[in-house]
Amino acid sequence: DAKTTQPPSMDCAEGRAANLPCNHSTISGNEYVYWYRQIHSQGPQYIIHGLKNNETNEMASLIITEDRKSSTLILPHATLRDTAVYYCIVSPAMSAGGTSYGKLTFGQGTILTVHP
Amino acid sequence: DVKVTQSSRYLVKRTGEKVFLECVQDMDHENMFWYRQDPGLGLRLIYFSYDVKMKEKGDIPEGYSVSREKKERFSLILESASTNQTSMYLCASSLRYRVWGQETQYFGPGTRLLVL
Repeated sequence: DAKTTQPPSMDCAEGRAANLPCNHSTISGNEYVYWYRQIHSQGPQYIIHGLKNNETNEMASLIITEDRKSSTLILPHATLRDTAVYYCIVSPAMSAGGTSYGKLTFGQGTILTVHP
Repeated sequence: DVKVTQSSRYLVKRTGEKVFLECVQDMDHENMFWYRQDPGLGLRLIYFSYDVKMKEKGDIPEGYSVSREKKERFSLILESASTNQTSMYLCASSLRYRVWGQETQYFGPGTRLLVL
């Protein structure tokens, strides 16, 4: 499985963009990059995922480098409620019953603290 | 919105007791997962199921069993609880795609289990 490397912690001022980096230098061509976050005492929450192209949704943007060895999650206007642990995951496939589906391996993630 | 619910947020059991953790999802997802989360170890996959009555071992199945009698419900069973099974247990579900890597997992709020 491709491993990811994230900084253990980051700070961000409320209202500013939060840019969370992730290195995944051993990613293979058919593996997706997923981002989840976990707010204290809750289950992980899906944010966004991508393969090659940059992606944007209502929560965040995902920028993937051309060589796919790293990516950045961007929260454009961070709020206090964005304080959480952010996980970058590379998803390989598992096979069962004739179909394949992704396996999520959560590392330690980045603790993002948004300050007033 | 996808909703994944777990039967209890907090549970206290004694060593040797049989423990049932229930998970229900309301989005007709084929795949369901059980993880445990421990400090410093991240989330680890215990079991998953890709269809009714089907189950596959994850990374740490020892001491656990599962049951999937209905599509929406996935139960985790601790046959004889031990203190090293004190943990946060998280259930997740996802749609099954033919093209792997697209499966976003949606998590429940978690159950904190304390085994005394």
